[in-house]
Amino acid sequence: SQQGEEDPQALSIQEGENATMNCSYKTSINNLQWYRQNSGRGLVHLILIRSNEREKHSGRLRVTLDTSKKSSSLLITASRAADTASYFCATLAKAGTASKLTFGTGTRLQVTL
Amino acid sequence: KAGVTQTPRYLIKTRGQQVTLSCSPISGHRSVSWYQQTPGQGLQFLFEYFSETQRNKGNFPGRFSGRQFSNSRSEMNVSTLELGDSALYLCASGGFDYGYTFGSGTRLTVV
Repeated sequence: SQQGEEDPQALSIQEGENATMNCSYKTSINNLQWYRQNSGRGLVHLILIRSNEREKHSGRLRVTLDTSKKSSSLLITASRAADTASYFCATLAKAGTASKLTFGTGTRLQVTL
Repeated sequence: KAGVTQTPRYLIKTRGQQVTLSCSPISGHRSVSWYQQTPGQGLQFLFEYFSETQRNKGNFPGRFSGRQFSNSRSEMNVSTLELGDSALYLCASGGFDYGYTFGSGTRLTVV
């Protein structure tokens, strides 16, 4: 079952605008990761934020994590047409030596020229 | 270094048949995880293997099984295929504290 809910489900913006996606989850986590998927292909890892971190940056990406609210947001600044894709948050919870990613429902981002 | 390689890319099978999918992780990675992606259920965890041992298993029926070989390559098998098994099957290596690298997936269609 999926742990996370993402909103919005779909987002359409123009090139140069910022895109913000939100993710909520239900249980304790070790870290939270964001992935991008183009047209039903494989997932590409974008950024990881640990449970003891509140904010992280990577290029045009900014991720925040609020463990008290069990939520995260991904901001993509100055969007480009090439950013058009589905974006998924995924929480990682480790139990002993076992670990697994639990994915959110995803946000479909459309960036138009 | 080479990424995660999944074969085949596409597969069409008939209900009742069985199928085996293959995944070769990034060289040196000993962990392999499998995920199923469908429009209705989204991305769901199937299994995790590490050094030939299954460390974790998702909530799937026993028709879904997997294994990992000594060279870290992994296979997953689905027996007695059902229409609902049609999905994109994704394999990933690496993980925990530095993110996973996913393969391009195997798209299975059951007719």
